[in-house]
Parts: sequence; structure tokens; C-alpha cells
Amino acid sequence: QQPVQSPQAVILREGEDAVINCSSSKALYSVHWYRQKHGEAPVFLMILLKGGEQKGHEKISASFNEKKQQSSLYLTASQLSYSGTYFCGTEIGDSGNTPLVFGKGTRLSVIA
Amino acid sequence: DTEVTQTPKHLVMGMTNKKSLKCEQHMGHRAMYWYKQKAKKPPELMFVYSYEKLSINESVPSRFSPECPNSSLLNLHLHALQPEDSALYLCASSLSQGTEHYEQYFGPGTRLTVT
Repeated sequence: QQPVQSPQAVILREGEDAVINCSSSKALYSVHWYRQKHGEAPVFLMILLKGGEQKGHEKISASFNEKKQQSSLYLTASQLSYSGTYFCGTEIGDSGNTPLVFGKGTRLSVIA
Repeated sequence: DTEVTQTPKHLVMGMTNKKSLKCEQHMGHRAMYWYKQKAKKPPELMFVYSYEKLSINESVPSRFSPECPNSSLLNLHLHALQPEDSALYLCASSLSQGTEHYEQYFGPGTRLTVT
């Protein structure tokens, strides 16, 4: 049930873009995205519900392809503050009344 | 106030000790969660309380015993732990759990070491 994230790690220079993918073998009801900096708690970024919607704020956005059971997180014009580990969490099924299961994470490092 | 607090920050305990972790939120959230996180791994769900009732137990060993005394507080009682239980224990809360989908707010965690 654990979603698969790719890539496992990525290094960017400031100002570059990145895409992090999250895919599931099960039908998804929702996808949650969190960022965790070293030694800190995970911080919520956004939720996407089935329906193929896209969300975003500032330079971070995400899409959800219900048919492909995939979500992608887009980071544009990356800043040093974007460094951290990004986790997607998925709820499976039709109603989403299942616990959130996190992927293994993508470690993003932004360098000057 | 969008903060989840956890105490203690660090805890070292022997395998025969009994200790408790505490979590508190004052956001009016009715769902509270305990997660376990090993280094370089994702958080793994342990327990969910919804409206102060245990709604999910992810087959956690009985040496971990959760308690929700009221809607703002969540405890995790620890007894006879094993060295492999050493991890970061995260508490989280959300508006509710189930058919509504709300973001989870995480506390800073308790770093537990079992010797």
C-alpha cells in the first residue's frame, strides 16, 4: 500500500525547477504532500482529492491524475529554504476513510 | 495557535522502565495521531484517536499504550520497550478523521532512546 516516490534524492541549484512523483498501485482518494527539514516536524504543503485537480501556492504546485494513480509536486525557481525531505501520503479507496500511508520520501537539496 | 506541543523533547529509558510521552494541541482538533519515525524513513502510523476514542491501532505491540484524557491531550505510555523501539515519536492532530480530509499538524517529536 505504500506509495512509491521518485526520485529518491535530487540536488538543485537555486532557481532551478524540480518535479517529485508519487504513484500507487491502488486507486487513490487523496494525496497529501509534506516537507520535513532535518530535525524538525513534517509540515503540510497541500492535499489533492480525486477529481484530477491541481493546487498550488507561490512556487509550489501539485497535480493528481486519478486514472494513473499518480501525483506530482512541482517546485519552480527553487530557493534554499526548499531543502528537506518531501513525503507524499496517500489515502486509498473510494471514500478515503483509510489511514494515511507515507512514501519513503524524496530528499531535496538546494545549493547556492 | 497552530501548534502541537510534545514533551519531553528527548527521553532515554531502560528496558524495564515505565515512561510517558505527552502531546497537546489547542486548535479544537478532534483527531489526534501517534507516529513512529526511524532515521531517514517516513512516519509510520501507530494510533488514531477520533473524538477521544481509539479508532485505529496499527497492530502496535502492547508495550505501547495510548490514552486520550480529553480532546486536547494525547499520551503514549511506554513499558518494557526494546532497543529497536528507539525512534522519533511524532504526535499530530487534524480537524477530524474519516470522510473529511484535513491537513495534519505535527508536533516536533520526542526522540526516544531505549538502552
